Amino acid sequence: NAGVTQTPKFRILKIGQSMTLQCTQDMNHNYMYWYRQDPGMGLKLIYYSVGAGITDKGEVPNGYNVSRSTTEDFPLRLELAAPSQTSVYFCASSYVSYEQYFGPGTRLTVT
Amino acid sequence: GQQLNQSPQSMFIQEGEDVSMNCTSSSIFNTWLWYKQDPGEGPVLLIALYKAGELTSNGRLTAQFGITRKDSFLNISASIPSDVGIYFCAGPSTETSGSRLTFGEGTQLTVNP
Repeated sequence: NAGVTQTPKFRILKIGQSMTLQCTQDMNHNYMYWYRQDPGMGLKLIYYSVGAGITDKGEVPNGYNVSRSTTEDFPLRLELAAPSQTSVYFCASSYVSYEQYFGPGTRLTVT
Repeated sequence: GQQLNQSPQSMFIQEGEDVSMNCTSSSIFNTWLWYKQDPGEGPVLLIALYKAGELTSNGRLTAQFGITRKDSFLNISASIPSDVGIYFCAGPSTETSGSRLTFGEGTQLTVNP
């Protein structure tokens, strides 16, 4: 099993551009999550999903959108990139319990 | 909302020393999790605790679920250079559903060889 994979690893965006961060898990987990981590800080939940077709907002959803059309994939969309969205983005998944498994992260810079 | 406070924020120790760190909350948690994040990587689950008073080990790591259910402790014995990283505590938010976790802000550990 590859676990949780994320692409791209790094990306630089100009203000106002849009992009999609990809996340895929091969563990047949129901729950998937998107977090952002700012330098020296903990993880803040952006969006999460309890199963295909179901998504909900986390603590910091503004400026982001998600979709969950399959169990495996949970892409995160940034529509109009802003410097405040410069961060490291982590995708995670879990089966039913709270034991979440994280991907390697996408490092995004908006200039 | 619920918050988790970790201390210390950072530690600088010599190889071979033991390490203790803790996580506290003003709310009761029914589960405590400890994660480690290596530089440039995603967090990795180290230990999960599900019962008040529970003491669980994973190699040189030992974690305890506080009896009040408002705190948890992580100890690392005989530290080695690869223990370097950020250690996060986490617990499920009782204010929401869907296996959501609240994370502390981490303890940064530096081990000098």
